[in-house]
Amino acid sequence: TQLLEQSPQFLSIQEGENLTVYCNSSSVFSSLQWYRQEPGEGPVLLVTVVTGGEVKKLKRLTFQFGDARKDSSLHITAAQPGDTGIYLCAGVSGNDMRFGAGTRLTVKP
Amino acid sequence: DAGVTQSPTHLIKTRGQHVTLRCSPISGHKSVSWYQQVLGQGPQFIFQYYEKEERGRGNFPDRFSARQFPNYSSELNVNALLLGDSALYLCASRSGGYMNTEAFFGQGTRLTVV
Repeated sequence: TQLLEQSPQFLSIQEGENLTVYCNSSSVFSSLQWYRQEPGEGPVLLVTVVTGGEVKKLKRLTFQFGDARKDSSLHITAAQPGDTGIYLCAGVSGNDMRFGAGTRLTVKP
Repeated sequence: DAGVTQSPTHLIKTRGQHVTLRCSPISGHKSVSWYQQVLGQGPQFIFQYYEKEERGRGNFPDRFSARQFPNYSSELNVNALLLGDSALYLCASRSGGYMNTEAFFGQGTRLTVV
């Protein structure tokens, strides 16, 4: 069972649209990480958020950590086909790191 | 600089057999973690080793074992393979021993048990 629930599980959109991916848990985390994974590859770290309420921007990607440090969101503005991939959130608590099941994003040209 | 390297990339084994997967971390990194990723799911934590000692263990049966060598490379061993062990096995390298430290993943070993 996944400690972190990600939604939606699948998302297919047209190039230029905006989207938000959610990562929710009943547990409090010391930090939360977002990864992007392409088929057949290992995940690549996008960002780490540490402070409740923290917002980080990475070009067209905006990451937010919930005030209670239990949830997070990833917003992509003007999605491009190169954004296609699996987006994974991972919560860190002590020396334990748990991943969500991922959101599979397809951006059509 | 070489990233995290895993071998083999693909492997097919029969139920009941044993398998050894290998991982070389990024040069200078002393921590290696192993994850199992079943198709359609996120990675599940199996083990973490730091400075050749086990730092953490996930909820996996004793059929799974690992070790880290003096050069910080690592092996994951799985005995008495089951069909359900079919998955992508990922190795992550970190410079420090804490999970907050950025993890660099290898491409994984795709294990198929038939």
